[in-house]
Amino acid sequence: GAVVSQHPSWVICKSGTSVKIECRSLDFQATTMFWYRQFPKQSLMLMATSNEGSKATYEQGVEKDKFLINHASLTLSTLTVTSAHPEDSSFYICSAMPTVRTGTEKLFFGSGTQLSVL
Amino acid sequence: GEDVEQSLFLSVREGDSSVINCTYTDSSSTYLYWYKQEPGAGLQLLTYIFSNMDMKQDQRLTVLLNKKDKHLSLRIADTQTGDSAIYFCAESGYNKLIFGAGTRLAVHP
Repeated sequence: GAVVSQHPSWVICKSGTSVKIECRSLDFQATTMFWYRQFPKQSLMLMATSNEGSKATYEQGVEKDKFLINHASLTLSTLTVTSAHPEDSSFYICSAMPTVRTGTEKLFFGSGTQLSVL
Repeated sequence: GEDVEQSLFLSVREGDSSVINCTYTDSSSTYLYWYKQEPGAGLQLLTYIFSNMDMKQDQRLTVLLNKKDKHLSLRIADTQTGDSAIYFCAESGYNKLIFGAGTRLAVHP
């Protein structure tokens, strides 16, 4: 089945540094990818929709200058958390929607990235 | 290992109730979730249940949890055409969410 690779699985960084998270669709092309965030013991929340070749669409309350999204190719989207602070510590997960629709329009998920900012 | 399974497809008539089922394997899951994916959109949280609860009702939605059998269900009363979507159940495994493959709900007149 379709595989989405998300890297890194976990990262620890100092406050003020930037962290980049990659999301790759390994065996399919994905025009659209989604980025989610989950705080401990809370549900998964959609942050933004990433579209290949165009600007990402951010959900209300998500700072686009804080969470930079680049979807430069049909198989790769990146999320960069700029000037990370402890409150950015969270679990981030991406999902990808195949460009070639099979009729199911299902999403395939990465395994997530746990970010801890010290 | 961790696994979440759900049926792939469900077709119901408008006005009937829909029941989407899900089984999971991680008995330590704290929360179990139902997410909805409309065509061309990302996941949106529909509802969730804490693992020490048996049932949760939210307007037309009823979530039932059988922890002994590790079975979760979502019932949608008075199903409408706007409910047509893919529904994902998910369990909160260790440090990550485990999603099922999604159930496509088709509502017909």
